[in-house]
Amino acid sequence: GAVVSQHPSRVICKSGTSVKIECRSLDFQATTMFWYRQFPKQSLMLMATSNEGSKATYEQGVEKDKFLINHASLTLSTLTVTSAHPEDSSFYICSARDRSNTEAFFGQGTRLTVV
Amino acid sequence: RKEVEQDPGPFNVPEGATVAFNCTYSNSASQSFFWYRQDCRKEPKLLMSVYSSGNEDGRFTAQLNRASQYISLLIRDSKLSDSATYLCVVSSSGNTPLVFGKGTRLSVIA
Repeated sequence: GAVVSQHPSRVICKSGTSVKIECRSLDFQATTMFWYRQFPKQSLMLMATSNEGSKATYEQGVEKDKFLINHASLTLSTLTVTSAHPEDSSFYICSARDRSNTEAFFGQGTRLTVV
Repeated sequence: RKEVEQDPGPFNVPEGATVAFNCTYSNSASQSFFWYRQDCRKEPKLLMSVYSSGNEDGRFTAQLNRASQYISLLIRDSKLSDSATYLCVVSSSGNTPLVFGKGTRLSVIA
C-alpha cells in the first residue's frame, strides 16, 4: 500500500527557534497533502492543506506566517514552525490520499516539544 | 455543533465482550466514511471503510445510516490487542481532507 514518511519523529527545541518537518509520499504522487495537529486527548485538527506548486490553504485560526508550508514537488511537503513557543508543543501529522482518493495515509507523526 | 461527534468513552470491557461505538456527522454532503484506529502516541491507521450497505471484516462490523447521518462500529469477541482509540472519520468527495471525531478510547481487560 501507499506509504507516507514523516521526519523527524521527535524533536525538542528551544523557544524562539524554528523547526522543519518533512512529509514524503514514497510510492505515489500527492498533489495535495494535509497537515494536522493533535494535542493530548484531543482529536486531530486540520491545520492546512498543502498544494503542490501553489500556496497552502490554512484553516481559520492557524497563522500562515508561523506555520510555513512548502509543497515544491509531488512527493514532498514541509511544515516549518517558526519562532516556536511552548504552546506549539504538539503532535503534528501529515496525510495524503492516493490517486483513488479513498484511503488516506498518514506519516508517522512528529512530536514537537518546545522548552 | 462539531462536524463529527463520537461517544466520549472510555469503554472498559472484559475480553470476549461485544462493544459498539456510535458517531454522528453534521455535513450532509459527506460521502466517504471510515473508522481509524490510533494507538497511544502513534499515527492513525485505517481500520475499515464504511459503506451504505454495511460491511464486515472479521470481528468488526461497520454500518452507515445516511438519513440519520449516523455511523457505528461493532467489535465482537474483544481482544486485549483491540485496546486503542477509535476515530470516526468523514470526508466529502474528491481530494478533500478527512474530518476526525475526537475518538473513543477502548480498554479491553483480561
